[in-house]
Amino acid sequence: SYELTQPPSVSVSPGQTARVTCSGDALPDQFAYWYQQKPGQAPVLLIYKDNERPSGIPERFSGSSSGTTVTLTISGVQAEDEGDYYCQSADSTGSYRVFGGGTKLTVL
Amino acid sequence: QVRLVQSGPEVKRPGASMKLSCKASGYNFIAYYIHWVRQAPGRGLEWMGWINPKSGGTHYAEKFQGRLILTGDTSITTGYMQLNGLMFDDTAVYFCAREAMGPTTSGSDYWGQGTLVTVSS
Repeated sequence: SYELTQPPSVSVSPGQTARVTCSGDALPDQFAYWYQQKPGQAPVLLIYKDNERPSGIPERFSGSSSGTTVTLTISGVQAEDEGDYYCQSADSTGSYRVFGGGTKLTVL
Repeated sequence: QVRLVQSGPEVKRPGASMKLSCKASGYNFIAYYIHWVRQAPGRGLEWMGWINPKSGGTHYAEKFQGRLILTGDTSITTGYMQLNGLMFDDTAVYFCAREAMGPTTSGSDYWGQGTLVTVSS
């Protein structure tokens, strides 16, 4: 079955830039989506279609794509950005969705 | 405003079935897929499947084929997720989420609050 691979953890100091990667063979052909989840809460959509930001999401969150890897970039990280981040995409058929394993962002 | 309100927590025995609901409001129900996603304690998000409420068409993740049934009732704008043959490792929080159909999709932009299901003997 199709898989998306994320690093388990990323640590940054406040004000620095955090980058979370997500790799998958179908990513050149399928859009990626990024979600933030905090403990006890439902996920929140941060980025859709690789690099589009929903209304209400701060500009410090951005997405990019290059080949089989997509990247979520958080510029000027704030303490409130601590949480788990998940990428999501579809397999090559577009019908089946998959989440990456998640990346825990720690703000030092 | 857009809301997805899920049914309450459940405790089930191994081998039993469960059927959770996801009541949608504030948008055109038949213009959005309903996805179901679960999260076991301390684990990541796991996509289970989606339903097109307009056509009734479904797609299920391979690991749930044969025991997952997604349905929708357009008259009461509610989606349902039935999982049969429950096992201990089905203990999880189950979420529903909507996604716009077609090229205008913007991902799963609204989620339910989640339903905790505990499988215990």
